[in-house]
Amino acid sequence: GAGVSQSPRYKVAKRGQDVALRCDPISGHVSLFWYQQALGQGPEFLTYFQNEAQLDKSGLPSDRFFAERPEGSVSTLKIQRTQQEDSAVYLCASSLGRASNQPQHFGDGTRLSIL
Amino acid sequence: AQKVTQAQTEISVVEKEDVTLDCVYETRDTTYYLFWYKQPPSGELVFLIRRNSFDEQNEISGRYSWNFQKSTSSFNFTITASQVVDSAVYFCALMDTGRRALTFGSGTRLQVQP
Repeated sequence: GAGVSQSPRYKVAKRGQDVALRCDPISGHVSLFWYQQALGQGPEFLTYFQNEAQLDKSGLPSDRFFAERPEGSVSTLKIQRTQQEDSAVYLCASSLGRASNQPQHFGDGTRLSIL
Repeated sequence: AQKVTQAQTEISVVEKEDVTLDCVYETRDTTYYLFWYKQPPSGELVFLIRRNSFDEQNEISGRYSWNFQKSTSSFNFTITASQVVDSAVYFCALMDTGRRALTFGSGTRLQVQP
């Protein structure tokens, strides 16, 4: 597709379960980002990839959060032993190159609800 | 540390009114980028504009205009002759050149009534 694609669109899980969220960036985009957006708030940075290399994971809130992009294209954000405070919209974004001035293009997000 | 403040939580206007969304930022970096994004009810963040810290020229794009004032650390966004389709949450964001992470404000919800 033309834009960033995220799946699933909605995910409901019980506390303690593991979840995996998928992101398909725009074709050819080198950089990929994950953000977490709580209800009524702005997105908060989680992690950043340049191709397959994870260059910044400073925003990951705990070691239960793990992200990968093994072939430099599709990325997966995994949350282990989910907790209620993990409920949020998880946004993925991609940008064309490595330069910091290039805009990030976002997907529709995955709305995660932990019961 | 970087910070972006959007003091207006929600604004309601009637169609055809002009409206200005305020954005104030804090950063210790001398080189940085400022962005505005629109988030309609569908949830996708739509890129509107990027401005670098060395370019204080105001910009106009159709009904949209942006006023960047480095002296007051502000990057305000004006919609002229607002339309119902402008209803959305608008986010201002900051990025320094050493790091790719965007720092977002908490957003301003704009409601344009017909």
